Amino acid sequence: AQSVAQPEDQVNVAEGNPLTVKCTYSVSGNPYLFWYVQYPNRGLQFLLKYITGDNLVKGSYGFEAEFNKSQTSFHLKKPSALVSDSALYFCAVRDRDDYKLSFGAGTTVTVRA
Amino acid sequence: DAGITQSPRHKVTETGTPVTLRCHQTENHRYMYWYRQDPGHGLRLIHYSYGVKDTDKGEVSDGYSVSRSKTEDFLLTLESATSSQTSVYFCAISSLATTYNEQFFGPGTRLTVL
Repeated sequence: AQSVAQPEDQVNVAEGNPLTVKCTYSVSGNPYLFWYVQYPNRGLQFLLKYITGDNLVKGSYGFEAEFNKSQTSFHLKKPSALVSDSALYFCAVRDRDDYKLSFGAGTTVTVRA
Repeated sequence: DAGITQSPRHKVTETGTPVTLRCHQTENHRYMYWYRQDPGHGLRLIHYSYGVKDTDKGEVSDGYSVSRSKTEDFLLTLESATSSQTSVYFCAISSLATTYNEQFFGPGTRLTVL
């Protein structure tokens, strides 16, 4: 079985400050990890993924995520948040032997001007 | 939204009526998925397809059926809609057989069952 936990329902930051959205996962084997973003009344958009190799993954819109195997975490980060980053963020995990994704419950990010 | 359309985009129906949602893709991707999104639950997989006429159940498949007669179309049917099926439904596609390929999502269908 595989699962994802996003421990924070909401994250609030000021524009220009660093942004971190937390994610921890559980899989029986080796994971593939993904981050998606959802803007109001839209579908999910892919941000980045971890497959193997370098633990720091860079993605779209200046986002990056750090894979930590010992802590089973894949936190999303952005050095300087923008008001336009306000959205709902989902972490997802897939076991390498499975085609199905499991999503976390989502974290709402609000960036204030 | 990566060549994926969903229809209808909004639907209000009554308990006990059948409902069919359509997902159409122009990408010729092999894998197609149906999810539902509910507050506090994220996205949960209902059914998925790995080819024409090849489908399998996800984690919340009770009360739903699917069909895929063409590569480009994946239909989700609620045989007898219930209020618990009020949700936003998303279709997704992915290309190759490798499990690390990301999924691309359609714009969603908001379904209300009264």
